[in-house]
Parts: sequence; C-alpha cells; structure tokens
Amino acid sequence: DAKTTQPNSMESNEEEPVHLPCNHSTISGTDYIHWYRQLPSQGPEYVIHGLTSNVNNRMASLAIAEDRKSSTLILHRATLRDAAVYYCILRAPIYNFNKFYFGSGTKLNVKP
Amino acid sequence: DAGVIQSPRHEVTEMGQEVTLRCKPISGHDYLFWYRQTMMRGLELLIYFNNNVPIDDSGMPEDRFSAKMPNASFSTLKIQPSEPRDSAVYFCASSSGQGGGEQYFGPGTRLTVT
Repeated sequence: DAKTTQPNSMESNEEEPVHLPCNHSTISGTDYIHWYRQLPSQGPEYVIHGLTSNVNNRMASLAIAEDRKSSTLILHRATLRDAAVYYCILRAPIYNFNKFYFGSGTKLNVKP
Repeated sequence: DAGVIQSPRHEVTEMGQEVTLRCKPISGHDYLFWYRQTMMRGLELLIYFNNNVPIDDSGMPEDRFSAKMPNASFSTLKIQPSEPRDSAVYFCASSSGQGGGEQYFGPGTRLTVT
C-alpha cells in the first residue's frame, strides 16, 4: 500500500494562510489523494480530494505536484476552529478502493 | 440527514464482559466501515461492508471481535470477552460508491475496559 509522509505538527497564526505538505513518492498513477481532518474529540471529517489537477472547495484548496509525488493542503485563512489533526491519504481506485490508511497526520495548532 | 449515528457514546465495562457497539449509517450509503483509534496505533480500519456483505476483515484484531450488518441501516461490532487493551475510541463511517468515495464518520464510542 502506498504510504504518505507528513510533518508531525505545524503552527499557524489566526487569519493567515496555512500550507500543509504531504509526500507520497510511491503513489501510483490511479491513486486519488484525499485529505481528512479530525477536530478534538470528534470523528474524522472529509476535507478535499483530487487526482492530478488542483482542486478548490469551500473548506480548502489542494495543490498537487506535477509528478504527483507530493501535495499541499491550503487553508486560505486559518481560524481557531481549524486546529485539528490533518490526514493525507491515498485511495486506490481498484480492488479495495474504499480502504483508507490513516497515518499519524499533522497536528495543526492555530494561535490567536 | 442526521449523519452517522453511533451508540452508546461511552461504555465502561469490566474485563471479560461482552460489549456491543452499534452504528446507523447515512441513508443510501452502501459502504460501512468500523475503525478503532488509540494513542499508540492511531486510526485503524477493522472491517468494512459493501451492501451489507463483509468485504475485508483483515484489520479485526482477533476472534474476540465480530461485526455484523443485518440490513442497510444497522451494524454492530461485538467484543467477547473484552480485555483492557480493547480500550479505545471506535468509529463507524459510511460512504457511497458514487462520487469521490468520501467517508462520513460518526462521533465514536469511547470504550473503557477495566
């Protein structure tokens, strides 16, 4: 199973942009890149996903490197409510495509 | 929609007792997942179902754990007998086979086995 590597923790100031990196050098050509986050004492929450092109939604943007070996989740203006653990996950579109492997994620701390 | 519903939210039991955790997925979703989260091991997939049929149970730790999905709106995860090392937060999630396969998680059941 393809793995991802994320920094253990990051810190940001409120109302500033945050760039959360993820390395996935062994990604296959058909793996989707998913991001989830887990707020304290809650279940994980879907944030965004993409395959090759950059993606935007109301929560965040996903920038995918041209070689797809890395990606970056961008929170345009961090709020205190964005303090959470962010997980970068690869999803294979074939056999067992619904099987997600959550690593240790990046714990984001947002300072007021 | 009410989202994924789990019960109970908290469970405290003694070693050796049977524990049953319950999950109601989002209506219309045809995939259901059971995860376990601990500080040491993080979030682990235990088992998942598609159209009520278990597809992959390779994450189930041992025979003391069993999961069923008798219909599209209900699933159980049972531990018998329970042990202190089973203490964890257990999450249920559901997803649709359509779209991007986003999984929607319930609030979790915090299990403490003394």
